[in-house]
Amino acid sequence: GENVEQHPSTLSVQEGDSAVIKCTYSDSASNYFPWYKQELGKRPQLIIDIRSNVGEKKDQRIAVTLNKTAKHFSLHITETQPEDSAVYFCAADAGGTSYGKLTFGQGTILTVHP
Amino acid sequence: ETGVTQSPTHLIKTRGQQVTLRCSSQSGHNTVSWYQQALGQGPQFIFQYYREEENGRGNFPPRFSGLQFPNYSSELNVNALELDDSALYLCASSLARTGELFFGEGSRLTVL
Repeated sequence: GENVEQHPSTLSVQEGDSAVIKCTYSDSASNYFPWYKQELGKRPQLIIDIRSNVGEKKDQRIAVTLNKTAKHFSLHITETQPEDSAVYFCAADAGGTSYGKLTFGQGTILTVHP
Repeated sequence: ETGVTQSPTHLIKTRGQQVTLRCSSQSGHNTVSWYQQALGQGPQFIFQYYREEENGRGNFPPRFSGLQFPNYSSELNVNALELDDSALYLCASSLARTGELFFGEGSRLTVL
């Protein structure tokens, strides 16, 4: 089955800096890669996603890049703000009959210091 | 449009007991997936229901079972509770074949 590795496990940055979180996956059939933000005691919320026919996607301060050959994808947050502090999870979905069956990474605790 | 709702939000059980968790899917969504999130870990896929039938299962024993009803709401049942079952149980709904999941707030289960 799919295996998703996420690094780093913790990331501390100063407000205004950029943050990068990286994930690798094992199943070459995976074709949907969402990123979720989870604040303490809250539900995971989708912040951005990318499908395998696209190499990069951007939404304001957040961007995701995908390298299908290397089987890795990354989340980039620019101009970080204290409210970006949370746990971030990457995930992979093999699609087809596996739609909605996400395999998650272990999470990255992002702390943005004012 | 209502989001995904789960009940109860918190519950405490003792080892060996049984528990039923409930989930109402987002309006228009016909697929419900359940995930277990242990403290400090990413969510782990338990199973998915599509049109009232199980449509895939993760690496969980048979004492984890579920149902989906005609209105697409769902239940997760866990028998013979073990201490390691203590976790946040997340329900997520989606339109089949889109992959985008919308999560509920979860049910936090503590097994003593």
